[in-house]
Amino acid sequence: QSVLTQPPSVSGAPGQRVTISCTGSSSNIGAGYDVHWYQQLPGTAPKLLIYGNSNRPSGVPDRFSGSKSGTSASLAITGLQAEDEADYYCQSYDSSLSAFYVFGTGTKVTVL
Amino acid sequence: EVQLVESGGGLVQPGGSLRLSCAASGFTFSSYSMNWVRQAPGKGLEWVSYISSSSSTIYYADSVKGRFTISRDNAKNSLYLQMNSLRDEDTAVYYCARERHLNFDYWGQGTLVTVSS
Repeated sequence: QSVLTQPPSVSGAPGQRVTISCTGSSSNIGAGYDVHWYQQLPGTAPKLLIYGNSNRPSGVPDRFSGSKSGTSASLAITGLQAEDEADYYCQSYDSSLSAFYVFGTGTKVTVL
Repeated sequence: EVQLVESGGGLVQPGGSLRLSCAASGFTFSSYSMNWVRQAPGKGLEWVSYISSSSSTIYYADSVKGRFTISRDNAKNSLYLQMNSLRDEDTAVYYCARERHLNFDYWGQGTLVTVSS
């Protein structure tokens, strides 16, 4: 079961800004572990979008940005485009005995 | 170019076994930890297992502990997942993923495992 909580869906018109929250606990995000974000386009494998809370791999547009504070993190998409319609997952490391790598529940982004 | 290609998925009856493989290319396989991550149909991502670069450290999710075994052959640039005592709830697309700094920077295309009678 997912340890990190995300909203099931967010939507916005082209050009707008949307944000996705990721809420964890004292054994993962709150313990200081980095948060990473993945984009999963329909029918494809996940792709690393943001690593180390706020860093973009080569090739990822700067429309995507990440931040972290306390036991939560956020992904922002500015200048929303049709090709951004996808599922987004946060991920962190968990120091509890029952899990090591934990994912968020996932958020479907819809471009209106 | 980094490539990860999974194979070995298919239809298996409950209680059966299956062995997944992941062929790696485009990077020095023996230098990286690797993982298996799965996704049930219409559901989110679930981490399954981790193996360090030298196979000295291995972790499993509680949901598969005692039933699945991860291994690797650095000479063959390959990662494996032996899955025994399969259950309906193991039905999923299984991805192999390269790990870097506690995140998964490259993923394969996935292989579908269906457990059904």
